[in-house]
Amino acid sequence: NAGVTQTPKFQVLKTGQSMTLQCAQDMNHNSMYWYRQDPGMGLRLIYYSASEGTTDKGEVPNGYNVSRLNKREFSLRLESAAPSQTSVYFCASSALGNNSPLHFGNGTRLTVT
Amino acid sequence: TQLLEQSPQFLSIQEGENLTVYCNSSSVFSSLQWYRQEPGEGPVLLVTVVTGGEVKKLKRLTFQFGDARKDSSLHITAAQTGDTGLYLCAGDNTNAGKSTFGDGTTLTVKP
Repeated sequence: NAGVTQTPKFQVLKTGQSMTLQCAQDMNHNSMYWYRQDPGMGLRLIYYSASEGTTDKGEVPNGYNVSRLNKREFSLRLESAAPSQTSVYFCASSALGNNSPLHFGNGTRLTVT
Repeated sequence: TQLLEQSPQFLSIQEGENLTVYCNSSSVFSSLQWYRQEPGEGPVLLVTVVTGGEVKKLKRLTFQFGDARKDSSLHITAAQTGDTGLYLCAGDNTNAGKSTFGDGTTLTVKP
């Protein structure tokens, strides 16, 4: 099993450009998440989807949109990239319920110039 | 907002030494996870602790959940160079599994 797969691995954008980060999981998990990781700031939740058909804002949702396309796929869109969105983005999934651990992809390193 | 504070932020030790990393909060969590992350990869789960006072061992790693379920520690015995990485704790107290992460401890084990 591949687990959680993210594409692309690297991306450079100019300010104002748009892009979509893709994420797919093959573990039949109900919940999916998007985090960003910045130096000294740990992992911060952008958006999550507790189950297919639902999405909710996390800690830092401004400037992002998400789509839970189906149970397997959860995409993150930047409509108008800003330098403050330079970060490493991680997608994760978990089974529904208390104490379910997160399974992470290997990240997308995004640079906005 | 629930905060998890990890200490120390950075730790550099020689191979063979012991170390302890701490994860503290003023909030109560139903469970707490420890993850390890290597450069260029996503975090990987090490352990989940659920019961107050619980102690779990994973080879040379010992994890403890505080009695009040507000804090946790990770102790590594006889550290090896392969233990080098970023250690993250994450607390969960919702059914949706929306975890709160600490800022991490970067461990470097020198040969």
